[in-house]
Amino acid sequence: GAGVSQSPSNKVTEKGKDVELRCDPISGHTALYWYRQSLGQGLEFLIYFQGNSAPDKSGLPSDRFSAERTGGSVSTLTIQRTQQEDSAVYLCASSLLDVNYNEQFFGPGTRLTVL
Amino acid sequence: GENVEQHPSTLSVQEGDSAVIKCTYSDSASNYFPWYKQELGKRPQLIIDIRSNVGEKKDQRIAVTLNKTAKHFSLHITETQPEDSAVYFCAATLSGSARQLTFGSGTQLTVLP
Repeated sequence: GAGVSQSPSNKVTEKGKDVELRCDPISGHTALYWYRQSLGQGLEFLIYFQGNSAPDKSGLPSDRFSAERTGGSVSTLTIQRTQQEDSAVYLCASSLLDVNYNEQFFGPGTRLTVL
Repeated sequence: GENVEQHPSTLSVQEGDSAVIKCTYSDSASNYFPWYKQELGKRPQLIIDIRSNVGEKKDQRIAVTLNKTAKHFSLHITETQPEDSAVYFCAATLSGSARQLTFGSGTQLTVLP
């Protein structure tokens, strides 16, 4: 079956503009995660969704960042009033939660450049 | 929360030699420890994982060891090949929970031909 997909693959925007990044998880995966990877750095957790539960937003760096997951499937990460320090690759991952199985499958990422 | 430390940050080895990457974690409740490989410009991909009920797991040239008492785990790559060159990330989480993976900072492995 299809893996995790993300769009757009690249996004260039001007400082102060809003951007929306989309993630389509693997069908049937109940958990969805957003991470951020700055150049040459590790993966920084942003937010995750689990089924219909309230999302864990503890990793969001500021109130300019928000995310939604509609119908338990597609997710959108929104960054308002973008800043240059928001430039990074934004990775989405999904997993099928099970007591014994927790592999997270990553999408290809969206490379965001804020000029 | 969980904190994962990884070292070294860079590692160069000659083709055919072994490579070892080490990680420590802080939360004793973590029981699932995956390793991801990320080639340049590509997504991270799981290469091996280990759960806290075992001390070692091997898959061909790759092995992972876990010392739960000391809260550290290591990735071992034997007979390295140029295609092993990539960034490797360790991570920790609680299996079966919705907790996010906490990643180490990554190790850039370069295998010299």
